[in-house]
Amino acid sequence: DIQMTQSPSSLSASVGDRVSITCQASQDITNYLNWYQQKPGKAPKLLIYDASNLETGVPSRFSGSGSGTDFTFTISSLQPEDIATYHCQQYDYVPFTFGPGTKVDIK
Amino acid sequence: QLQLQESGPGLVKPSETLSLICTVSVGSISSSGDYWGWIRQPPGKGLEWIGSSYYSGTTYYNPSLKSRVTISVDTSKNQFSLKLSSVTAADTAVYYCARRRIGFDPWGQGTLVTVSS
Repeated sequence: DIQMTQSPSSLSASVGDRVSITCQASQDITNYLNWYQQKPGKAPKLLIYDASNLETGVPSRFSGSGSGTDFTFTISSLQPEDIATYHCQQYDYVPFTFGPGTKVDIK
Repeated sequence: QLQLQESGPGLVKPSETLSLICTVSVGSISSSGDYWGWIRQPPGKGLEWIGSSYYSGTTYYNPSLKSRVTISVDTSKNQFSLKLSSVTAADTAVYYCARRRIGFDPWGQGTLVTVSS
């Protein structure tokens, strides 16, 4: 199985701050990497697919980059409604696997 | 827009079979290129992909669960189902259904299934 790691596991930042989360795959997954936002008590929501493509309707302050084994998810200006846990997920190999999540809070 | 809704028992006894149904609305489960999947999340933990199925019957399972899992699609009812046999407390989780094209989207709201006697 492809192991996905994320760092940090949690972070606290101020409104307007730039926030970045990294995701690392245990082997090359090209760009077959998605990012999800999960608010407390809710189902995950797809934000970014194929490492860097913004899903329709997702605010442009969210972005993704990377390829191979190292990926980055960025919120350019953190907003109060961005409080959530963010998960990466690879789909290059079965079984599809998720990272453990990064919890983002407002300071 | 496409909507998914899970249904099924919230409590299952150990060693029994967990059975859930996902009803797809405002869209067809037979749409070309759409796979239908189940993902679970134990309380306070991360997401685990269980498996996915195409409307034609092609299925992909997580090897860690493959011996206990069956996912099937009923095109006449626009539904797909999950059966997980021989459950233990470790199978207690929120179970989500979702459509998969590239990413999983959209998702159902999720249903908590507790395994307990």
